Amino acid sequence: SAVISQKPSRDICQRGTSLTIQCQVDSQVTMMFWYRQQPGQSLTLIATANQGSEATYESGFVIDKFPISRPNLTFSTLTVSNMSPEDSSIYLCSVDIYGRVLGNEQFFGPGTRLTVL
Amino acid sequence: DQQVKQNSPSLSVQEGRISILNCDYTNSMFDYFLWYKKYPAEGPTFLISISSIKDKNEDGRFTVFLNKSAKHLSLHIVPSQPGDSAVYFCAAGGSNYKLTFGKGTLLTVNP
Repeated sequence: SAVISQKPSRDICQRGTSLTIQCQVDSQVTMMFWYRQQPGQSLTLIATANQGSEATYESGFVIDKFPISRPNLTFSTLTVSNMSPEDSSIYLCSVDIYGRVLGNEQFFGPGTRLTVL
Repeated sequence: DQQVKQNSPSLSVQEGRISILNCDYTNSMFDYFLWYKKYPAEGPTFLISISSIKDKNEDGRFTVFLNKSAKHLSLHIVPSQPGDSAVYFCAAGGSNYKLTFGKGTLLTVNP
């Protein structure tokens, strides 16, 4: 497995502002992902963070709202831009450990609980 | 369109008994299925997975059963322990490495 940390663990923000969430992994991984879990909902994939290139976004998510960086194989950031109360969620990063073939288990960070007032 | 469904939002069982959590899916292209456990204020923790070419996978107290014809899988926990109390997510994946999650089932194991 991998040890994954996220910063901040939680934050309360004002609408219209932006928050950048960091995800750090203790080993190099090929695939990193960002998810959102809105209250009472399942985990929804926002995007795949690609090292050295632009992230791949899922339907309903756009780069202007959720810019993502991945400068190397152990680190990624997700920014939630121009926030509104509807962005209040838990944001999670996950990794698919390099070399795994069977099952493609993803390992998750502890999450960032965001509240937008 | 919800491709992975967990129709029971909650389940309560007695300690020592079997817990059975269910999951249905609609996309026949899914290659593998996973179960995650999530405690409050923590990220999901991987429990067990199963490939679509198998119908059963066992790991200690946890067994996952897959019925491809019914597009149904279940997680059995035997015996259930109070520490198993958590939200359990079913997830499915394919060749693109992306996971699709259900909404989760809150399991409460009563001492």
